[in-house]
Amino acid sequence: GAGVSQSPRYKVAKRGQDVALRCDPISGHVSLFWYQQALGQGPEFLTYFQNEAQLDKSGLPSDRFFAERPEGSVSTLKIQRTQQEDSAVYLCASSSGPTAYEQYFGPGTRLTVT
Amino acid sequence: GIQVEQSPPDLILQEGANSTLRCNFSDSVNNLQWFHQNPWGQLINLFYIPSGTKQNGRLSATTVATERYSLLYISSSQTTDSGVYFCAVEPGTASKLTFGTGTRLQVTL
Repeated sequence: GAGVSQSPRYKVAKRGQDVALRCDPISGHVSLFWYQQALGQGPEFLTYFQNEAQLDKSGLPSDRFFAERPEGSVSTLKIQRTQQEDSAVYLCASSSGPTAYEQYFGPGTRLTVT
Repeated sequence: GIQVEQSPPDLILQEGANSTLRCNFSDSVNNLQWFHQNPWGQLINLFYIPSGTKQNGRLSATTVATERYSLLYISSSQTTDSGVYFCAVEPGTASKLTFGTGTRLQVTL
């Protein structure tokens, strides 16, 4: 596709449920990033893939968060046993190179945990 | 980690006015981008500008990397310019963007 796509766009989960968020990067982009944006704040880095390798997961807030990109294209962010504080918009971005390349963002998935 | 501060935090303009948004950062960077987040939450790329000056229509940006700041100029503002403007930097030590605090712009008729 022409841009980064994410699904679902909206997700409501009950506390304790597991959720999976999908990101389709721009075709051919080697780098993929996940960010979390709380209401009224700027996005904050969660994790980074170069092709299928997860090179940086320093931003994942707890071991309930897990991300994968098994074939170096589509990525999934999984949150286990969701908590209310996980409510946020989860943004995916991709870029054509490893560092110092322009990042392009998807529309985000708004997660609400009730 | 690197600190990124934007000013002003809030700005209200009448349609047709000009404005300057500022981004200060605390360390050297490989990448600096300006984004507009529209009311639907989409981050729209405005400029990729680790250094120098670029122009795109009514918008222009300048980054002075040696002095660790960037400026975004909006001329002849329109109501569709409303939203939050973010500066984001990629420090030399990591392949990830650190976002600034944002400037919330409202353009009124």
